[in-house]
Parts: sequence; C-alpha cells; structure tokens
Amino acid sequence: AQKITQTQPGMFVQEKEAVTLDCTYDTSDPSYGLFWYKQPSSGEMIFLIYQGSYDQQNATEGRYSLNFQKARKSANLVISASQLGDSAMYFCAMREGQVGQFYFGTGTSLTVIP
Amino acid sequence: EAQVTQNPRYLITVTGKKLTVTCSQNMNHEYMSWYRQDPGLGLRQIYYSMNVEVTDKGDVPEGYKVSRKEKRNFPLILESPSPNQTSLYFCASSSDRAPYNEQFFGPGTRLTVL
Repeated sequence: AQKITQTQPGMFVQEKEAVTLDCTYDTSDPSYGLFWYKQPSSGEMIFLIYQGSYDQQNATEGRYSLNFQKARKSANLVISASQLGDSAMYFCAMREGQVGQFYFGTGTSLTVIP
Repeated sequence: EAQVTQNPRYLITVTGKKLTVTCSQNMNHEYMSWYRQDPGLGLRQIYYSMNVEVTDKGDVPEGYKVSRKEKRNFPLILESPSPNQTSLYFCASSSDRAPYNEQFFGPGTRLTVL
C-alpha cells in the first residue's frame, strides 16, 4: 500500500483564489510527521509546512495551512490568495517516528492562472 | 550560511563505471538521506542515516551504497551504474529534535548513465 497518496496530478487555480491540494497517508505508527514541500521549475525543494501527529491544531505558515484530519488520515494543503509564483510541483511527505524513513507522494503540479 | 551541498551537480557516465556523489551539511544534523526523483514517481528514499555509522535502507536501495563516517558527510556510491539509475538525486539533512524535523535539501545531482 502507498504510504502517501496524492490523487491530483495537476491543478489549476485563478490568481488570488484559494486552492486545496489533497494528501492521504497510511501508517500504524502513532508518532509521525507530515510535511509539504514545493518544487518550482528551477528544481530546488522548499519546505512549506509541518504537522505533527500529536498536534491538536492545524498548522499554518503565512498563506499555507494544513488541514489535518487524523481519523481520515488526510493532510491537505490549503494555499490562500494564490500568486503566480505559487506555480510549482507540490509534494506531501510523511516521516514515521522521530528519526524514521521518509515517504513522499507523487506530487501535484499547480498552475496559477492570471 | 546553513546549507546542504552536493557534488557534482551534473554527471554523465557510462554503464559500469563506479561513481560517488558527495553530500555535506554544515548544520550539525544527525539525520541525512538520499533520494532519487523520477517523473511520475515523486521522490523515493534510497538510504538514510540516523547518525554516524548508523544507516538504513529506504525504498529503493538496490545498486547503491552509502557510508556515514563523519557527521557532516554522507556520500552516495554507485559501484556499477546502470541506465535505470539515470535520475535526479537529492541529498537532505535534518535534526532529530522536535518540533519540525524538516529536511533541508541539497540542490540536486542530475545523473545520466549511458
């Protein structure tokens, strides 16, 4: 079974609109971390946001928020007020335990339309 | 400046010719990792290391070797490269301390095996 599933290969959003990128995960470890990374066309991996499995509140970082639904094992990324510079590939990732293996999804390509 | 460096950035080689991709971090991180990125497959972890002399296999370790003799360095060795190892390779490091454990990525090494 896939540890991280991103079901949206490509998404389009109008500039200034909000967009949600889906991510579901699979683990039996009670301690895990969930991450979102952005990869622009230049290729570097940019950390966006983190959610720990024991965190009670959804994580937020500026225009990024993580909609964490533990019972559903989902960790969707919400980008508010999209900007042209948000056009990139977005990866959801999970780390099992504190120092365990990392798993990445296959990514979602986001295009922001002016 | 806190960073992860990889060398070389680009490499074209031939089947069977041993090569090493170096990775170094200056953040005193305990955890280091290697990934390969292929279109449609996202990032897949090859090997990771929780500290000096402690390494473990990720999802796709076949054909690769690693060693962690010093905390800052984590080289990736391809003893006998094959064309199916043509890929974009990323090295990453992170602290094993809460709360984030975010991974810092190197710039990537694009490897072509002919």
